[in-house]
Amino acid sequence: GQNIDQPTEMTATEGAIVQINCTYQTSGFNGLFWYQQHAGEAPTFLSYNVLDGLEEKGRFSSFLSRSKGYSYLLLKELQMKDSASYLCAVYSGAGSYQLTFGKGTKLSVIP
Amino acid sequence: DSGVTQTPKHLITATGQRVTLRCSPRSGDLSVYWYQQSLDQGLQFLIQYYNGEERAKGNILERFSAQQFPDLHSELNLSSLELGDSALYFCASSAGTSGVSDTQYFGPGTRLTVL
Repeated sequence: GQNIDQPTEMTATEGAIVQINCTYQTSGFNGLFWYQQHAGEAPTFLSYNVLDGLEEKGRFSSFLSRSKGYSYLLLKELQMKDSASYLCAVYSGAGSYQLTFGKGTKLSVIP
Repeated sequence: DSGVTQTPKHLITATGQRVTLRCSPRSGDLSVYWYQQSLDQGLQFLIQYYNGEERAKGNILERFSAQQFPDLHSELNLSSLELGDSALYFCASSAGTSGVSDTQYFGPGTRLTVL
């Protein structure tokens, strides 16, 4: 079975740093994605990790530890427009193109 | 703009009816995926097509079916609709060539309301 856990909601202040955690237990692992989704809109791709370590992309960074089944998304210099849901998704199973999504973390950025 | 298009944007229909949702993938992408997103649920994978053939199946009901045409656009057919089918339906596409690094790009979605 596939199980992906993320906190349901988080609140952070404009200009601050926030870390959104994701833990997964899947029957296989071929990579982990983070997507951003504003309410009622399409998910948009943020990052992809397949090897352990930190991937940095501007204000956003994503970390992966395969041995711990753990990832986090780090958002720096928070802006009001970062208020959105952040979805963690795992590719599992050899040859499978199927992405399993967590339920998402709703981030609210306050002034 | 992801390059994936979906029509219609909104659809309101009655229980028992049948609807068809349409998706055009990004230029050059061979894979199309369909997802359902309800209020209380995350994105639920329904089905994937790759170059016209079904590649993977998720939690898709028997009342739902899909196909991918030679021009690579895809349609999701939902029949005998129930109130619980009300949701956002997303289509995504990817190059579908290398598997593990195959990023999916999502269309704007179709909001289905069943009354």
